[in-house]
Amino acid sequence: RKEVEQDPGPFNVPEGATVAFNCTYSNSASQSFFWYRQDCRKEPKLLMSVYSSGNEDGRFTAQLNRASQYISLLIRDSKLSDSATYLCVVIRAGNNRKLIWGLGTSLAVNP
Amino acid sequence: SQTIHQWPATLVQPVGSPLSLECTVEGTSNPNLYWYRQAAGRGLQLLFYSVGIGQISSEVPQNLSASRPQDRQFILSSKKLLLSDSGFYLCAWSRGGRLAEAFFGQGTRLTVV
Repeated sequence: RKEVEQDPGPFNVPEGATVAFNCTYSNSASQSFFWYRQDCRKEPKLLMSVYSSGNEDGRFTAQLNRASQYISLLIRDSKLSDSATYLCVVIRAGNNRKLIWGLGTSLAVNP
Repeated sequence: SQTIHQWPATLVQPVGSPLSLECTVEGTSNPNLYWYRQAAGRGLQLLFYSVGIGQISSEVPQNLSASRPQDRQFILSSKKLLLSDSGFYLCAWSRGGRLAEAFFGQGTRLTVV
């Protein structure tokens, strides 16, 4: 089992739809969490950090559920420009701290 | 503000030729530096990371090596490229002293022919 797992999709949604992705992690001591966006043939870009209390940035909401060991990303009022691959990242705690990347979830927003 | 520069953007190299990809970071000091590879349609694979000058950790055995001759310079090298070395190579940095979110360069798309 991978340490960080994401549904690869693709998620195909119409413009204006609300879509949600989950990302599960297996190491209960993981300490920091992030969502990145990667456009085709481009570098990943930080979308938002994920805090225990949840956080919102415009149409994007990220949440952390430590009990069930997953993070989520909610996109409201989807735009065509939201089409991309969304990567979750977990920072492992302890002596072997490192960034652990999910394989990404592909989103296609259709007109 | 911090910026990261990685070059070249694309590269086509014959099998058996050497490789040198360079990455520099500006606007910060003592960053953590990373080299990743992403095969087509695949996830990010960490190749090397460095927490300081001359300190390189290798994640997977391979045909590549990395060096950090200066605080904000990270170089990925190979003496003889293999076909399997083709991929999208990404340099990234994060704030030193702690493990935090990473910021990526534009990437180098390497095709070994």
